[in-house]
Amino acid sequence: DTGVSQDPRHKITKRGQNVTFRCDPISEHNRLYWYRQTLGQGPEFLTYFQNEAQLEKSRLLSDRFSAERPKGSFSTLEIQRTEQGDSAMYLCASIPGQGTEAFFGQGTRLTVV
Amino acid sequence: GEDVEQSLFLSVREGDSSVINCTYTDSSSTYLYWYKQEPGAGLQLLTYIFSNMDMKQDQRLTVLLNKKDKHLSLRIADTQTGDSAIYFCADGYNKLIFGAGTRLAVHP
Repeated sequence: DTGVSQDPRHKITKRGQNVTFRCDPISEHNRLYWYRQTLGQGPEFLTYFQNEAQLEKSRLLSDRFSAERPKGSFSTLEIQRTEQGDSAMYLCASIPGQGTEAFFGQGTRLTVV
Repeated sequence: GEDVEQSLFLSVREGDSSVINCTYTDSSSTYLYWYKQEPGAGLQLLTYIFSNMDMKQDQRLTVLLNKKDKHLSLRIADTQTGDSAIYFCADGYNKLIFGAGTRLAVHP
């Protein structure tokens, strides 16, 4: 257990539904990252926050995806109008301010049917 | 753009050394990383190397960095069955860019 919590661990949803995932980073870690991992691939960067500010978004993050970190602590990732291609493991990681190590959560596995 | 490439599969005999290779494109990285992922588990940081170093040794792990060729390698000495996993190379400045991973299979 790295100390980064993600909820839920698994989510099955029907195509077209909206889903929201939550990440609780290690407290006092001011950087928080979202990644997506599909089978046989490495994690792909989606977006990251420094405190509550979203500093970068990948081109992979379509308009259907939105992420927030309202108080600089936990973060949510919402996917609207899910598509089968959104099926993946969504990973969250946090890094302390001057740190080098990214601590990853166990991920949320999304299946869109 | 930024890219990290790794060979996809490596098979070694228990007790032998394993060498996993990686090439990267982002020369602004301060650190380069090796992560391990076991089936059904999250990503675990194995080791990292500062970009101005050539080599780092940590118990059975040796990391070699060739900045000129943008080549990173991970050597695992005395490979054990418990080392069977997927190994990811990652680099980046503000964000980590991962390779596709090398699946290490250790057989008796």
